[in-house]
Amino acid sequence: DGGITQSPKYLFRKEGQNVTLSCEQNLNHDAMYWYRQDPGQGLRLIYYSQIVNDFQKGDIAEGYSVSREKKESFPLTVTSAQKNPTAFYLCASSDRAAASGTGYTFGSGTRLTVV
Amino acid sequence: KNQVEQSPQSLIILEGKNCTLQCNYTVSPFSNLRWYKQDTGRGPVSLTIMTFSENTKSNGRYTATLDADTKQSSLHITASQLSDSASYICVVSFSGGYNKLIFGAGTRLAVHP
Repeated sequence: DGGITQSPKYLFRKEGQNVTLSCEQNLNHDAMYWYRQDPGQGLRLIYYSQIVNDFQKGDIAEGYSVSREKKESFPLTVTSAQKNPTAFYLCASSDRAAASGTGYTFGSGTRLTVV
Repeated sequence: KNQVEQSPQSLIILEGKNCTLQCNYTVSPFSNLRWYKQDTGRGPVSLTIMTFSENTKSNGRYTATLDADTKQSSLHITASQLSDSASYICVVSFSGGYNKLIFGAGTRLAVHP
């Protein structure tokens, strides 16, 4: 079955560490996205990528980095510069511009906790 | 400012009852409006998507309505089941662009036996 796989499901980070969240899709979607979800707030866009080897900052990119070396993969690194990284992270993909397309699919999420 | 506001924040109903969730938006120019269901600890799953010209759309026991003039949408759940317990998120798209989605904070629904 086609879909988006995020791993790990739970991740614990020590202060000052960088951690990388994995996102893989086999839907042949061109565009991929990373969102952060905090309690009581709507999802906020961190980074998005329309094509391989290209990505753009979203609304809250500070303290995060991404790469898009393959169409299927869009890993997110949470760096030590992100002061409040504890959150639920969601990866998504779409087959065309998200505003008009119906093919917008989310992964199951990674819950990151700072210890 | 482009915003999506959902009400109520949380709701408790008894199994078998109906309920209606509200979504008001100020996004412009409008492209489409989506409702997602998100189970705890999972990613959102699409329920419906409506464009400017659509007034209503159903997906099983879920029926979404859209009034583009008043910029309001509702999601009606009929004959609720325990499995309907989840957060329901309203998402509004701008016209054009890969990053032009505005998410509401969601309504947390609990269905009790």
